[in-house]
Parts: sequence; C-alpha cells; structure tokens
Amino acid sequence: GAGVSQSPSNKVTEKGKDVELRCDPISGHTALYWYRQSLGQGLEFLIYFQGNSAPDKSGLPSDRFSAERTGGSVSTLTIQRTQQEDSAVYLCASSSQGYGGEAFFGQGTRLTVV
Amino acid sequence: DQQVKQNSPSLSVQEGRISILNCDYTNSMFDYFLWYKKYPAEGPTFLISISSIKDKNEDGRFTVFLNKSAKHLSLHIVPSQPGDSAVYFCAASARISGTYKYIFGTGTRLKVLA
Repeated sequence: GAGVSQSPSNKVTEKGKDVELRCDPISGHTALYWYRQSLGQGLEFLIYFQGNSAPDKSGLPSDRFSAERTGGSVSTLTIQRTQQEDSAVYLCASSSQGYGGEAFFGQGTRLTVV
Repeated sequence: DQQVKQNSPSLSVQEGRISILNCDYTNSMFDYFLWYKKYPAEGPTFLISISSIKDKNEDGRFTVFLNKSAKHLSLHIVPSQPGDSAVYFCAASARISGTYKYIFGTGTRLKVLA
C-alpha cells in the first residue's frame, strides 16, 4: 500500500515483558515520528527521525523506551519491561519534508499491558 | 506545559450549521499549523493547514483562521455534515532545538446531529 503501515494493530502483553512495534513509512519520506495517545489524552510526541541526523528522543518517557530507524526507512519502537501505564495507541507518522508539510499517520498499534 | 490547547473537549452541532473548533498556542516560534481529523480505530488524517504568513486558508467546506497576535486558530466547517463527526486535533510545528516537531492539542470531539 501507499500509506504508513504499522504492525501489529493490536498487542496484549504481560507486565514486565518487552514489546516491539513496527512502522513502515511512506516510501521516500525522510521524516518519521512516533506519538502515543493514552485514553482521553492528546497525541504525545515520543521521537523524531529526519534523514541521517541524530534522532530527537526528547519525548521518550523513560529509558525503557527506545527506537531505531534502519536504512532510513522502517522504524521499530521498543518498550522494555512494560508497565500498565504504557497502555496506549502508538502512532507512527511520516513526512516528505519534516517541516512545512503534513505528516501522514498509520492506523496505530493499540498496546494493552495486563 | 501544554503548548497547544483545545479547551473544548466536545462540541455538538446541527447538520447544515457551522462548526467552529478552537485552538490556542503559547509558543510564538510556531509558524505552521495543521488540523487533523480522527475516527475511532484509525490514525489521524490531515485536513487543512496554514502558514503563519497567512491569516486564512480555505479548502471546500473547511476554513482555518489564524490570529497570530492572539495566538489563536480556529477551524470552521460549513455546512456541517454527519460524516464530519470525529475528533479534531490541531497541531503546531516549528524548528525547536534543531528538529521539527508537531505538537498536538488534546482534541475536540465533534458530533454533527442529523
């Protein structure tokens, strides 16, 4: 497909386990963002990748969260030792410009930590 | 520190009438603003944007107004249709600390009544 693809669409995990969330951005988009939306909340910025520049990790809530972007394309968000407060919808977006243009979102991964 | 605020969590409007969604921001460095619409279980979809050099941008039934002195923007939908019922997020963008981020508000749930 031509849009941003995220997998899995739903993930239920036990507290303390590690999870990996995947994002396939739109081909050719140099900017990639991760956001999360907790129940009743807005979209919380997590991390931003732009080309070969060092990522902006300022939104990651703790050192249990990390993200990689391989080959300037696919990105993986990893949450170690998951906690119940990590339960949220994790959204990935990509943009062709990184600025001054719209970001296109995937459908999100709903993470539930039990 | 909520840099982008949507103070109305919900709004109900009769079909055919105008819907006005409001958004306030605090950071004067923001220079590009966007509105997204989100249906349940889907990622946000881009609706309309405006650069800070303009005060109005129109696209069909959707118009965004920007008042820089008041740090306020609004989205007008006219005429409103039942299919417009969704959560609307405003977002602001600027180069902050060397990277470009989209900062989102908490959203306004619009319900258009038939």
